[in-house]
Amino acid sequence: DVKVTQSSRYLVKRTGEKVFLECVQDMDHENMFWYRQDPGLGLRLIYFSYDVKMKEKGDIPEGYSVSREKKERFSLILESASTNQTSMYLCASSPRVAGGDPNHSGTQYFGPGTRLTVL
Amino acid sequence: GIQVEQSPPDLILQEGANSTLRCNFSDSVNNLQWFHQNPWGQLINLFYIPSGTKQNGRLSATTVATERYSLLYISSSQTTDSGVYFCAVTPMYSGGGADGLTFGKGTHLIIQP
Repeated sequence: DVKVTQSSRYLVKRTGEKVFLECVQDMDHENMFWYRQDPGLGLRLIYFSYDVKMKEKGDIPEGYSVSREKKERFSLILESASTNQTSMYLCASSPRVAGGDPNHSGTQYFGPGTRLTVL
Repeated sequence: GIQVEQSPPDLILQEGANSTLRCNFSDSVNNLQWFHQNPWGQLINLFYIPSGTKQNGRLSATTVATERYSLLYISSSQTTDSGVYFCAVTPMYSGGGADGLTFGKGTHLIIQP
């Protein structure tokens, strides 16, 4: 089974702190993603990565950066946390379409989520 | 960008009832997934179904790609089926799974004993 893990289930930080959210997948997937989920706004894509050291902006990248130094790990960084970044953060991974199982290429698998509160 | 609309937004049923959840999308897709979000926030994969029909136990799904909609069927509902069901897509022009999913707002399902 695919397993995607996130470093914390719950996190409380102060305004202005630098925050790291870590995500690890064990299926050798090429693609990894970060989303946030907010009431009334749904799930929105922050950043994604299709290879080591590669990154692409999603729909709401402002205030965030990412790092992918190893294939299995994708980090989301809040350089200076703000209260409007209080949210549920979800990480996902998927195989590259060309190299994956044709029946499941592109299927995204999600981690358990991190509930971040910024005070 | 692509639009994803789910209906109904809320659904309350008695245990044992059947239900149909709908997902309409505004453009051609090469990835469509159905998820169940449990009370702890975990998104659980139900189906990867950009076209065709699949079944898994009491759940089945059908996507009619040419008409841009997908249906999720839940038969003989149980209280553990409660939660939010999301449909999510990747548009055809994105080139495949390297792009993120666009989610609908979800259907909040409550199964009463």
